[in-house]
Amino acid sequence: EAGVAQSPRYKIIEKRQSVAFWCNPISGHATLYWYQQILGQGPKLLIQFQNNGVVDDSQLPKDRFSAERLKGVDSTLKIQPAKLEDSAVYLCASSLDSARGYEQYFGPGTRLTVT
Amino acid sequence: QQQVKQSPQSLIVQKGGIPIINCAYENTAFDYFPWYQQFPGKGPALLIAIRPDVSEKKEGRFTISFNKSAKQFSLHIMDSQPGDSATYFCAATKETSGSRLTFGEGTQLTVNP
Repeated sequence: EAGVAQSPRYKIIEKRQSVAFWCNPISGHATLYWYQQILGQGPKLLIQFQNNGVVDDSQLPKDRFSAERLKGVDSTLKIQPAKLEDSAVYLCASSLDSARGYEQYFGPGTRLTVT
Repeated sequence: QQQVKQSPQSLIVQKGGIPIINCAYENTAFDYFPWYQQFPGKGPALLIAIRPDVSEKKEGRFTISFNKSAKQFSLHIMDSQPGDSATYFCAATKETSGSRLTFGEGTQLTVNP
């Protein structure tokens, strides 16, 4: 079974630029999560999708971050404009459904450096 | 408000030692407590998990001890190996509600040969 795929793996941008990350969850997984992991900290949930609907985006900085999952499969996370404090690893995870959110499978992440 | 506190931040043991990582939670509604293992450049991977109706769970060399009254749980790694060197995160959630996983801050474990 293929795991969660993410791209790019690394990205370096200047502050005020925009950036987008892509995630392809495990086939058949209805729930998709985006996390922000700052160096030395645990992952923090940014947004959770159930199919193509948003379940939880309470910790998403909506003034600069946006995410979509239009067809209920792949998802993109965008930051515009980026700030220095956005430097982090952005992890995508998926689970069979929201009820099984306790069993999440993570991708390798995208390491973003904002200079 | 941080709801899961993890300690220590880093831990160094010799091969064969038994590292112990501790976590404490605040929200009594939590009813599922997983541990994740993360290697450099990889995403976290589910290692072992426990529900509060048991006080201990073993899977191979990994054991979770759970103290419901103290709202604490810990991970023990028996006969640790250099390949166990990784960052370990505890987490907590309310299993049935589909609520978010709340992670601890992580413990960087180094097992020296």
